[in-house]
Amino acid sequence: AQSVSQHNHHVILSEAASLELGCNYSYGGTVNLFWYVQYPGQHLQLLLKYFSGDPLVKGIKGFEAEFIKSKFSFNLRKPSVQWSDTAEYFCAVNANSGYSTLTFGKGTMLLVSP
Amino acid sequence: DTGVSQDPRHKITKRGQNVTFRCDPISEHNRLYWYRQTLGQGPEFLTYFQNEAQLEKSRLLSDRFSAERPKGSFSTLEIQRTEQGDSAMYLCASSFPTSGETQYFGPGTRLLVL
Repeated sequence: AQSVSQHNHHVILSEAASLELGCNYSYGGTVNLFWYVQYPGQHLQLLLKYFSGDPLVKGIKGFEAEFIKSKFSFNLRKPSVQWSDTAEYFCAVNANSGYSTLTFGKGTMLLVSP
Repeated sequence: DTGVSQDPRHKITKRGQNVTFRCDPISEHNRLYWYRQTLGQGPEFLTYFQNEAQLEKSRLLSDRFSAERPKGSFSTLEIQRTEQGDSAMYLCASSFPTSGETQYFGPGTRLLVL
């Protein structure tokens, strides 16, 4: 069975600080990897995704993530956060074979102080 | 707005009552998923439809839960004899079967069982 582990439940940063949110997954086969974001009062939105190819993927709003297969990791990064990045971030994985449901991590709540 | 919609957005019910939620997916998406999210957790998979066929159900989906997608368009999730432990956010997502398909989420229905 698939599982996803997010390292931090809560992160507090000041504006302009750099961000890295950890995500590790457990699955024996080929996977697709996703980061979703949930802004306060809004629904889950896709931030970025990795299916194949370049392991460094860029998403919306200046976010990027790097897939390191040997470490089963897909960490999310942003060089300089803004107050508007305050949200909950979820890492998710599904198997890259036919249809497959998403397995989510528990989420990381990011609070950016102005 | 052509995104995934869910109705109602909030539902308060008394223990033992039945409730039904509706999900309208993005029109060209033939795959539809239901997830449940409780406080401090990421979404957990409940069930999946391809067109009108229910192809997978999670062990989380007890006998009191039933889902339908009669014409392969909208879907309903019914919970019979609700329990306090059913209090959660119920999320619907839809996708189109492409390589590395992305699931798009609705705003969710928040259920509170008193």
